[in-house]
Amino acid sequence: QQQVKQSPQSLIVQKGGISIINCAYENTAFDYFPWYQQFPGKGPALLIAIRPDVSEKKEGRFTISFNKSAKQFSLHIMDSQPGDSATYFCAAIETGTASKLTFGTGTRLQVTL
Amino acid sequence: NAGVMQNPRHLVRRRGQEARLRCSPMKGHSHVYWYRQLPEEGLKFMVYLQKENIIDESGMPKERFSAEFPKEGPSILRIQQVVRGDSAAYFCASSPRGKSSYNEQFFGPGTRLTVL
Repeated sequence: QQQVKQSPQSLIVQKGGISIINCAYENTAFDYFPWYQQFPGKGPALLIAIRPDVSEKKEGRFTISFNKSAKQFSLHIMDSQPGDSATYFCAAIETGTASKLTFGTGTRLQVTL
Repeated sequence: NAGVMQNPRHLVRRRGQEARLRCSPMKGHSHVYWYRQLPEEGLKFMVYLQKENIIDESGMPKERFSAEFPKEGPSILRIQQVVRGDSAAYFCASSPRGKSSYNEQFFGPGTRLTVL
């Protein structure tokens, strides 16, 4: 059972463009939603995270938008750069009762010159 | 200030052999998580451990897989009688605390297991 659905599977964006990755979840007990960035051969690294009582969070060029009623959240990368080329995973966790992260299937982003 | 360390980074085993994957958490972290990443897929939770205790093993296959986090030394994920389907990247993560509040899980570089 896929509890966190992520799309698209892959994304090609020109340098300077906006990259948008979408996720949807089913479990309403999830209360923390991190995004991870993974480069080839490396482990995932936390990029940015949001709680459902906030509709948007921005850190530099990275913004999370959160729609609690639709159970959807998305990552926007503004002014995308070739160095942003990586695989991005959304995730969700129930902080009160469990500590395991439930990951989406990942989006492979390629930023072209 | 070393991060999460995993070894070996690459492991090749023949079908039927045993695989032992090691994880040393970040200094000061007493909670360890193991995740498995199949090719072209996201990470799937396997097991959550504290020192000398398995807290949640709901993601572990019922047979051939076991994990431990002894009082001294690294956490070990053990796979007995490996099969080709076990070929994957295995990631360990650590955090300073588990439940009650979210603490970031810091991931290691992973062990890539190939079963011939």
